[in-house]
Amino acid sequence: QKEVEQNSGPLSVPEGAIASLNCTYSDRGSQSFFWYRQYSGKSPELIMFIYSNGDKEDGRFTAQLNKASQYVSLLIRDSQPSDSATYLCAVAQGAGGTSYGKLTFGQGTILTVHP
Amino acid sequence: GAVVSQHPSRVICKSGTSVKIECRSLDFQATTMFWYRQFPKQSLMLMATSNEGSKATYEQGVEKDKFLINHASLTLSTLTVTSAHPEDSSFYICSASHPETQYFGPGTRLLVL
Repeated sequence: QKEVEQNSGPLSVPEGAIASLNCTYSDRGSQSFFWYRQYSGKSPELIMFIYSNGDKEDGRFTAQLNKASQYVSLLIRDSQPSDSATYLCAVAQGAGGTSYGKLTFGQGTILTVHP
Repeated sequence: GAVVSQHPSRVICKSGTSVKIECRSLDFQATTMFWYRQFPKQSLMLMATSNEGSKATYEQGVEKDKFLINHASLTLSTLTVTSAHPEDSSFYICSASHPETQYFGPGTRLLVL
C-alpha cells in the first residue's frame, strides 16, 4: 500500500523562526511531490511542487527532495502567524496534472506560528 | 492563476435525497478532474478520477452507483451523491488537472440529516 507519512504535530514555532515539515513516502515509483496548505474549513492550496532531487525555492518556502531516502521536506523561513495552517504532503506516481498523477496525501501537520 | 469553482459551497439535505455538486475550471481546460472527500480531522481521500468523455475510475471502496460522476466537458465535472445518508456527510473537494499539478476547488460541505 502506498503510504505517505508526515511528522507528527502539532508544530509550534515563534514568529520569524524557520518551520521544518517532513514527509516520507513508501512507493519508490513516485515521481512528483507536492506541498499544500489547508486553512481550517477551507480546501487545500498549492504551495509548491518538486520533481527532482535537491532544493527548490519559492519566496520564503524551500522544498527539499531526496528520492534515495524517500524523503521530502518543506522549510518555511521567517514564519508568520498567517502561516498557521495544516500542511499536507502529497505524492503522485506521474506528473501531478495527469490521470497518472493521483495524489496520495499524508495525514497533515498542524503548524502554529505564535507572535 | 488557475481557478476552480464548486457549487454549491454548502448543502443540507434529508436522508434519501440526491445531491449534485458541480466542479468547474474557470480559466483553463482540464482533461482530468479528481474528486476527494475529507472527514473532520482527517486528510483528503481520493474517491475517483474522471477524464473528459469517458467513465470515471473509482478508488477501492467507493461505490460507483452511489457516487455518480459525469465529466461532460473540459471545464465541468459533476458528482451526484444518490440516496444520501448521514454517513455521507463530509467535505467534498474537486481538483482539476493543470500542467504539472492539480488545482483544488473551494469544496462543498454536505450535511445529510
